[in-house]
Amino acid sequence: DAGVIQSPRHEVTEMGQEVTLRCKPISGHNSLFWYRQTMMRGLELLIYFNNNVPIDDSGMPEDRFSAKMPNASFSTLKIQPSEPRDSAVYFCASSLSGGTGELFFGEGSRLTVL
Amino acid sequence: DAKTTQPNSMESNEEEPVHLPCNHSTISGTDYIHWYRQLPSQGPEYVIHGLTSNVNNRMASLAIAEDRKSSTLILHRATLRDAAVYYCIQGGGSNYKLTFGKGTLLTVNP
Repeated sequence: DAGVIQSPRHEVTEMGQEVTLRCKPISGHNSLFWYRQTMMRGLELLIYFNNNVPIDDSGMPEDRFSAKMPNASFSTLKIQPSEPRDSAVYFCASSLSGGTGELFFGEGSRLTVL
Repeated sequence: DAKTTQPNSMESNEEEPVHLPCNHSTISGTDYIHWYRQLPSQGPEYVIHGLTSNVNNRMASLAIAEDRKSSTLILHRATLRDAAVYYCIQGGGSNYKLTFGKGTLLTVNP
């Protein structure tokens, strides 16, 4: 299995630009999570999908952030407009059943907003 | 948020056992204890999880106190590749939110 696939691995953009991060979960997994990691705040859960439906988006920082999961094999996290404080590593993770079992993380997308 | 307490850092020598402690005094009856680790420049990686009984897998062992308020992750023979940040998390079951704390930075000396 290829694991969770994220793209792009690195993104450098200017403040005000739109950023779209992409995630392909492991085939057959029904739960998908987006996390953000910074030195100051560590790993934070942004949003959780179960069976393609957003269950909990309480971790999404503000309206500039949005996430979608149009089908079981694809999810996006969009930031519009981006700000320097959004600079972080964004991880996507998938699992078979919420947080009960093993979460499989992607390698992350490192975002730098200038 | 459900929180656990771990030492900020620990050091070990290669090929020696490592015992990583974790306190989770607020754990509920349905919360599992999860351990993940994060190697430099990689995403977190699952290590092990358990509910009440001690658990073993190919990577590590998890010893859970009888009152479930603490647990210990045991790496039986540390290798240089085990140098990572180890996160102890309570959650799962009906609580899908796995809240990662700061973790323990494990350094393995050759």
